[in-house]
Amino acid sequence: EAGVVQSPRYKIIEKKQPVAFWCNPISGHNTLYWYLQNLGQGPELLIRYENEEAVDDSQLPKDRFSAERLKGVDSTLKIQPAELGDSAVYLCASSLGRGTYEQYFGPGTRLTVT
Amino acid sequence: AQSVAQPEDQVNVAEGNPLTVKCTYSVSGNPYLFWYVQYPNRGLQFLLKYITGDNLVKGSYGFEAEFNKSQTSFHLKKPSALVSDSALYFCAVRDTKAAGNKLTFGGGTRVLVKP
Repeated sequence: EAGVVQSPRYKIIEKKQPVAFWCNPISGHNTLYWYLQNLGQGPELLIRYENEEAVDDSQLPKDRFSAERLKGVDSTLKIQPAELGDSAVYLCASSLGRGTYEQYFGPGTRLTVT
Repeated sequence: AQSVAQPEDQVNVAEGNPLTVKCTYSVSGNPYLFWYVQYPNRGLQFLLKYITGDNLVKGSYGFEAEFNKSQTSFHLKKPSALVSDSALYFCAVRDTKAAGNKLTFGGGTRVLVKP
């Protein structure tokens, strides 16, 4: 079974530029999460989708961050414009739902804003 | 509100010795508890979970964890550590009183197993 796929793996951009990250969850997983992980810290939830609906986006900085999950499968997270403080690893995870609770993580996208 | 504490930033252990990584939690309801491991430039890998039932939970790669409700702890253990166990370990909790499958992660503990 293929795991959670993310691209790109690494991205370097200048501040004020836009950037987008893509995630393909495990097949059949209805719940999709985007996390931000700063160096040496645990992941922090940005947004959670149940199918195509964003059910928890309370931690998403909506002035510059946006996300979508069209058709309830792949998802894209966008930052526009990027700031120096956005440098971090952006992790995507998915879970089956329906009584299972563990989340499965992709390898992440390491963003460096210069 | 739910929270997790991992009191040790780093744990050093000799190969073949027992390994323990500590985790304590705080929730309003009952906890669902998880351990994940992260290798360099990789995502988090699920190791084990406690949802209900037996307090001793066995997981992947020979790891186990013991749920202790009175001490609000969920320490990760391995009887005999391997050099390949060197990685970053995260404890996570979900409060059963909280809506949705929201996990709160601890700050992580770096494990270094020396040959």
